[in-house]
Amino acid sequence: QKEVEQDPGPLSVPEGAIVSLNCTYSNSAFQYFMWYRQYSRKGPELLMYTYSSGNKEDGRFTAQVDKSSKYISLFIRDSQPSDSATYLCAIFNTNAGKSTFGDGTTLTVKP
Amino acid sequence: DSGVTQTPKHLITATGQRVTLRCSPRSGDLSVYWYQQSLDQGLQFLIQYYNGEERAKGNILERFSAQQFPDLHSELNLSSLELGDSALYFCASSLPGVDTQYFGPGTRLTVL
Repeated sequence: QKEVEQDPGPLSVPEGAIVSLNCTYSNSAFQYFMWYRQYSRKGPELLMYTYSSGNKEDGRFTAQVDKSSKYISLFIRDSQPSDSATYLCAIFNTNAGKSTFGDGTTLTVKP
Repeated sequence: DSGVTQTPKHLITATGQRVTLRCSPRSGDLSVYWYQQSLDQGLQFLIQYYNGEERAKGNILERFSAQQFPDLHSELNLSSLELGDSALYFCASSLPGVDTQYFGPGTRLTVL
């Protein structure tokens, strides 16, 4: 079983929709939670970073962490065609000193 | 632009050969990470260096090695290349004590 499981997708939504992207993890040592966006084989770009349970908002993006359920989500409001990309969750294991990435969910937002 | 630079952008070589990929981290970042991303695959962590020392190791093959130099740039050496080594190789860097990683544009390696 992978340490980080990400909903595989692909996901296709109409412009303006609310998108929910999800990951689960198995290791309680995971303490820092990140979301990256990767456009067509470019380098991943850091979107959100949080270390506590609850919600963190940045513009149209909200990162949600539930440590009790070992579940993290990224919500995108008013999705735009420019949001079409692969989204990767990443979780940092403080004991191992490294991040583990999910396999990514590819999102397409149709005009 | 993340501030992380990688060279070369593309590399085409033959099986059995050896190549070196180069990464320059963002100014002030002490950690450098290397990842492999094969076609339609997720990011596979290879290795991390912190201020010149190996910090963490992932699924890095014995044919692969890396180092970080005093000026903090890093090189990833891939030897005895096989067709399956064809992939995107990303370098990332981060500040001390923080694991938010900033990725370079990647090197696309094609082994023929």
